[in-house]
Amino acid sequence: GNSVTQMEGPVTLSEEAFLTINCTYTATGYPSLFWYVQYPGEGLQLLLKATKADDKGSNKGFEATYRKETTSFHLEKGSVQVSDSAVYFCALSDRITSGSRLTFGEGTQLTVNP
Amino acid sequence: NAGVTQTPKFQVLKTGQSMTLQCAQDMNHEYMSWYRQDPGMGLRLIHYSVGAGITDQGEVPNGYNVSRSTTEDFPLRLLSAAPSQTSVYFCAASGQSNTGELFFGEGSRLTVL
Repeated sequence: GNSVTQMEGPVTLSEEAFLTINCTYTATGYPSLFWYVQYPGEGLQLLLKATKADDKGSNKGFEATYRKETTSFHLEKGSVQVSDSAVYFCALSDRITSGSRLTFGEGTQLTVNP
Repeated sequence: NAGVTQTPKFQVLKTGQSMTLQCAQDMNHEYMSWYRQDPGMGLRLIHYSVGAGITDQGEVPNGYNVSRSTTEDFPLRLLSAAPSQTSVYFCAASGQSNTGELFFGEGSRLTVL
């Protein structure tokens, strides 16, 4: 079956530090890959996505590249801000099944200190 | 811009009680789903619907019922609450087939004593 594995958290960084959150996946077929972000007290919202191998998703300074050879979709940001403090979820959608059926990773809590 | 609206936001139940979590969307999206979020386990799919009158089970359906009589509404029913159902519940909607972009509600925190 499908699965997503994220690096364990929590992650604590200082403002302007470089961020990497690792994500690897197992899936049948050719999944689409996503990063969702959950700010305190809110629901999840889509941060970025990639739908095929070698695609790079980017948004708000974050980026991730769909690497089929390593089955990875690592999230990176060059300079984090305090406002980036949130929980980040990696997810995949198997195109064989309904587009609404996402498989999520465990989530990684990020705290950015000023 | 309401999007996906969940009620209630907080609820405390005693073991054995029943309740319904409401979910409504105003985006005319076909797909709706319910997830539960537990520490260290991410989000797990409970039930989903691909359109009015059609529902199916997700990863963790036991103890929950759903129905989809209209495009807008997708309530989640707990028939006999158990402490293991203490969690945060999220409803989500999606309007595009096989792209996976979900729009989430703000969540409902349920505690079962």
